[in-house]
Amino acid sequence: KAGVTQTPRYLIKTRGQQVTLSCSPISGHRSVSWYQQTPGQGLQFLFEYFSETQRNKGNFPGRFSGRQFSNSRSEMNVSTLELGDSALYLCASSLGGQVNEQYFGPGTRLTVT
Amino acid sequence: DAKTTQPPSMDCAEGRAANLPCNHSTISGNEYVYWYRQIHSQGPQYIIHGLKNNETNEMASLIITEDRKSSTLILPHATLRDTAVYYCIVRVVNGGSQGNLIFGKGTKLSVKP
Repeated sequence: KAGVTQTPRYLIKTRGQQVTLSCSPISGHRSVSWYQQTPGQGLQFLFEYFSETQRNKGNFPGRFSGRQFSNSRSEMNVSTLELGDSALYLCASSLGGQVNEQYFGPGTRLTVT
Repeated sequence: DAKTTQPPSMDCAEGRAANLPCNHSTISGNEYVYWYRQIHSQGPQYIIHGLKNNETNEMASLIITEDRKSSTLILPHATLRDTAVYYCIVRVVNGGSQGNLIFGKGTKLSVKP
């Protein structure tokens, strides 16, 4: 079965711009979680969507938002980009049930200049 | 979710068993122990999880002490491809468990020829 896919894999943006990243979960998975990874802060949870509803949210400013579609695909958006938003953005999918082992995609490497 | 403590780095000879410790002295009765690893430039990979009994799968074994305050991940025959950062995570699992893994700094395992 195909794994989690993320597009694009690499992205360069300028401060003040906005960006949209896409994630396609494993077929049948209803939960999609997003994480930000930077050398200084490590892996940090952004938010989770389950059945098109945001189920949990990390401690990030409102510039970070997301949504999930009826086919479970998810997008995250970052508005008014700052240099500190440069990071690897990872998406993970799971069935969303009790154990909830997550399967991660390869990530999108975002560079803000 | 309970906090975990892991050594920042470990070395292991190729073909030998790699034993990665994790301390979670404040774990509560309804928290599971999860292990993930992240190979350089890839998304994290789920390895194994457990509650109180020892667990084994095709990738690794998980040994949890009787008091559940610590655990050890065992890679029985480490290969160069097992070089990665290994994360030990404890979290509550219940109906509708949410997809927000809290990653620490992990252990950088270097497998040497």
